[in-house]
Amino acid sequence: EVQLVESGGGLVQPGGSLRLSCAASGFTFTTYWMHWVRQAPGKGLVWVSRISNDGTNTDYADSVKGRFTISRDNTHNTLYLHMNSLRAEDTAVYYCARGHYVYPRSVFEYWGQGDLVTVSS
Amino acid sequence: QSALTQPPSASGSPGQSVTISCTGTSSDVGGYNYVSWYLQYPGKAPKLIIYEVNKRPSGVSDRFSGSKSGNTAYLTVSGLQAEDEADYYCTSWTGSSTVIFGGGTKVTVL
Repeated sequence: EVQLVESGGGLVQPGGSLRLSCAASGFTFTTYWMHWVRQAPGKGLVWVSRISNDGTNTDYADSVKGRFTISRDNTHNTLYLHMNSLRAEDTAVYYCARGHYVYPRSVFEYWGQGDLVTVSS
Repeated sequence: QSALTQPPSASGSPGQSVTISCTGTSSDVGGYNYVSWYLQYPGKAPKLIIYEVNKRPSGVSDRFSGSKSGNTAYLTVSGLQAEDEADYYCTSWTGSSTVIFGGGTKVTVL
């Protein structure tokens, strides 16, 4: 069974930093692209970032480019999102998602339960 | 890039069908057959129900179907059941090599 479990969220002050983790199990982690998608309270879903299966290719939404860094540890089946210079508008539930095998960059086949990041003073 | 346009709400009685639209541009929905749909229950993670416009993942009910015409994609839920009451989101690949979501549609089963 595919499982994705996010952790590391919480309350952080504006301008602060936070690192989210996503522990993956139930599939061959090194085969799949991975994504982060976020959802502000009461709002819709927004794609944030993706990383290729070998970690060599990364992409970001314009809203987080230069502030967020996606990475992965294929030895420990873990995806990360390093978030710097956090703003109030980054407050959201952050989901990690596994890319589809055939459409790895654009289809999110499995999702974690999400982790809430709150940016507030 | 602006979100794809979905109606905020849609409704139908049990057994009826409801169709949700997802309107973009020629740079996203109209330019690629890479439209997906996700279902999300309150407080839960989204679930993939349609990809590549009209393909269903294994285990997804055939009551869900997708189509596309020009810059607009559609999700139809047939034989509405109480469990179909949820938020539905469309996505599309874009010419900027990103993925854009719709604003979401809340489906109510009357």
